[in-house]
Amino acid sequence: NAGVMQNPRHLVRRRGQEARLRCSPMKGHSHVYWYRQLPEEGLKFMVYLQKENIIDESGMPKERFSAEFPKEGPSILRIQQVVRGDSAAYFCASSPSSGGVTDTQYFGPGTRLTVL
Amino acid sequence: SQKIEQNSEALNIQEGKTATLTCNYTNYSPAYLQWYRQDPGRGPVFLLLIRENEKEKRKERLKVTFDTTLKQSLFHITASQPADSATYLCALDTGFQKLVFGTGTRLLVSP
Repeated sequence: NAGVMQNPRHLVRRRGQEARLRCSPMKGHSHVYWYRQLPEEGLKFMVYLQKENIIDESGMPKERFSAEFPKEGPSILRIQQVVRGDSAAYFCASSPSSGGVTDTQYFGPGTRLTVL
Repeated sequence: SQKIEQNSEALNIQEGKTATLTCNYTNYSPAYLQWYRQDPGRGPVFLLLIRENEKEKRKERLKVTFDTTLKQSLFHITASQPADSATYLCALDTGFQKLVFGTGTRLLVSP
């Protein structure tokens, strides 16, 4: 059973470009979470999605950031008009179910975004 | 304000000793507390979960305690090995499907 997959592993963008990060959850998992880790800081929750629904986006910056988890295909975190402060490691996690309690989240290897 | 604090200084111990890492939190009422391991350049790996009504949880050489009165969790690795060297993260789960992470403590186990 393959784990959570993220691509690309490393992404370099110039200021003003768009960054698109992809996450394929573990087989059988329908819940996806995105976290951001800045250098020397802890992981910060960004967004929680289920198939075709954004459940909680309280950690997402109000502008330039968006996320989706379509019925088919991977979850996408999109950052428009990137700035240097967006440089970070972005981690995706997935879990199998909900039901009022949080299941263990399984993390991918992350995408390291560098904005020049 | 809400805080999760882990010792930011690295913990250096000798092989074979027990490593004890601390996680303190304020102004949270977590339903669960989880511990993860993170190696450089990699994603966190789940280790243990402990519920608010559990005092202690064990898994092989790992032991976690959870004191909701002190608002503290302790994470122990017995008979530590150099391969245990990594950053260990505690994460609070308030039951709303998102984890709140501490900044992690780096453990270095010397042979």
